[in-house]
Amino acid sequence: DTAVSQTPKYLVTQMGNDKSIKCEQNLGHDTMYWYKQDSKKFLKIMFSYNNKELIINETVPNRFSPKSPDKAHLNLHINSLELGDSAVYFCASSQDSGGRAEAFFGQGTRLTVV
Amino acid sequence: QKEVEQDPGPLSVPEGAIVSLNCTYSNSAFQYFMWYRQYSRKGPELLMYTYSSGNKEDGRFTAQVDKSSKYISLFIRDSQPSDSATYLCAMRKAAGNKLTFGGGTRVLVKP
Repeated sequence: DTAVSQTPKYLVTQMGNDKSIKCEQNLGHDTMYWYKQDSKKFLKIMFSYNNKELIINETVPNRFSPKSPDKAHLNLHINSLELGDSAVYFCASSQDSGGRAEAFFGQGTRLTVV
Repeated sequence: QKEVEQDPGPLSVPEGAIVSLNCTYSNSAFQYFMWYRQYSRKGPELLMYTYSSGNKEDGRFTAQVDKSSKYISLFIRDSQPSDSATYLCAMRKAAGNKLTFGGGTRVLVKP
């Protein structure tokens, strides 16, 4: 059973398009995240949701809009895609209670904007 | 200067050697420390998790945290070619749930 799953795995699209990435976790965690990994492998947080409430919103262009329909799902919608948006986007989840703080990651969505 | 610094490598070792990885950080508020392994085109996989200072051992892996020096380490004993991957350190403050990552160290274990 995949703990954190995201779709699609690969996404190639043209500049200016709008696209969505979906994420689901079956770990029963309360908190979900979107991270971006650039070409130099540096992972940086974009958003964090706790029980469907936005907790962290880093300095991300407002073309990026996360949506959490329930605590097991966190989607990422990107409007007007730009070349610089090309990266790997990772969804993650964590429990954040009982002294546990580690995050578990999905397999990533490799976004290429052409 | 980044909050968490990690040598990008690559670190090349022969099979069976000990792999020694480390990260330094600048923010004394970090309390939770993690090591992740990431294979090419895969997601980060949690290897070790420690809270505050001390050592933790799990099989061939040992994680050390020295908060006074703001320095964490990961040792891999009896390294195998399957250990070839990028190793990322990550840390978190007591409050909040944002993980701050190092840039990763690429490790190559040669047969």
